[in-house]
Amino acid sequence: DGGITQSPKYLFRKEGQNVTLSCEQNLNHDAMYWYRQDPGQGLRLIYYSQIVNDFQKGDIAEGYSVSREKKESFPLTVTSAQKNPTAFYLCASSNGGELFFGEGSRLTVL
Amino acid sequence: GESVGLHLPTLSVQEGDNSIINCAYSNSASDYFIWYKQESGKGPQFIIDIRSNMDKRQGQRVTVLLNKTVKHLSLQIAATQPGDSAVYFCAENLNFNKFYFGSGTKLNVKP
Repeated sequence: DGGITQSPKYLFRKEGQNVTLSCEQNLNHDAMYWYRQDPGQGLRLIYYSQIVNDFQKGDIAEGYSVSREKKESFPLTVTSAQKNPTAFYLCASSNGGELFFGEGSRLTVL
Repeated sequence: GESVGLHLPTLSVQEGDNSIINCAYSNSASDYFIWYKQESGKGPQFIIDIRSNMDKRQGQRVTVLLNKTVKHLSLQIAATQPGDSAVYFCAENLNFNKFYFGSGTKLNVKP
């Protein structure tokens, strides 16, 4: 079935460690996005990519990095520079219309 | 950045009643709007969308209304069911570039 797969679903990290969240889509969508969601809040845009080998910062890019080497993959690295990384991370893709979301990855910093 | 907000953070309705969830958006140039439903611990699911050249669009049990004059969006759910309990988000988009989301409204359906 076509869709977006995020992994891992749950991730625990010690302070000072970098972690990478995986996002893969087989929808053949050009655009991919990473959002962060905190409890009781909406989604905030971290990074987005409209085409392979190109990406742009969203509203809260500090402490995060991404790559887009393949159309189907858009991994997000949460670096040690991110001061408050505990959150629910959502990946999405689009082909010019609605966003299709993955099931999310919940990152907890211990 | 853009600002999309909701008037009511929590809405409780009786099963079978109609629900109305409201949203205000800030960018008058936004041309595409979507309502999403998010269940606990899951990713948002598309409900219905509307483009700025329309003021109403209907789906199965759902209707979206767009009032560009006051930059207001609403989602109407007919005959609300327990399975409709979730958080609902509106999102606005300009030129199919970045989407901006509101903070969400939690819909609680009482049996």
